[in-house]
Amino acid sequence: GAVVSQHPSWVICKSGTSVKIECRSLDFQATTMFWYRQFPKQSLMLMATSNEGSKATYEQGVEKDKFLINHASLTLSTLTVTSAHPEDSSFYICSARNFWDRRGNEKLFFGSGTQLSVL
Amino acid sequence: GENVEQHPSTLSVQEGDSAVIKCTYSDSASNYFPWYKQELGKRPQLIIDIRSNVGEKKDQRIAVTLNKTAKHFSLHITETQPEDSAVYFCAASRTGNQFYFGTGTSLTVIP
Repeated sequence: GAVVSQHPSWVICKSGTSVKIECRSLDFQATTMFWYRQFPKQSLMLMATSNEGSKATYEQGVEKDKFLINHASLTLSTLTVTSAHPEDSSFYICSARNFWDRRGNEKLFFGSGTQLSVL
Repeated sequence: GENVEQHPSTLSVQEGDSAVIKCTYSDSASNYFPWYKQELGKRPQLIIDIRSNVGEKKDQRIAVTLNKTAKHFSLHITETQPEDSAVYFCAASRTGNQFYFGTGTSLTVIP
């Protein structure tokens, strides 16, 4: 399958600081990447859809000024949690859509996730 | 938008028995239905998927069935092993759109 790399895998930061998380598609180009937040024992909550070369589309209730998304190339999307607070502590995970065959069928592959802890 | 419901939320089976997880979806335009396995602290891994032009797909001990009329699809795991213990998510999507996930099923295989 396609490989999606996500860094860092975990980060601890002080309240008020910003944290950047990178998501890379290693062996395919991804015009669209998705960012999710996952709480323990819960499902994946879509935060935003990241589109290469254009603004991200945020889900209702997600603050776009707090969760900055940049998708500057076909293989890299970044999520920056600005002025992080303890309530932002969570498991953040990205995914990328890969067109699997010539018929346009697609599959979704996930990064390894980032555990953010804000003190 | 699409709404995906998944049942049960937890499932315990004896090693060697079968496990079945069911999902329903609401958007008849959805045409792609993947299943993911997520171990604690790890990424969801695609284990099997099915497209709307197929009714059933099998890969060794794992199979997925799709009933488009009833808008439901199921994951079947036979001869379960302890390493099958994980959280399983179903999803529904239509080409070019976002993926909608079920709420997950925590499967425990008891040795």
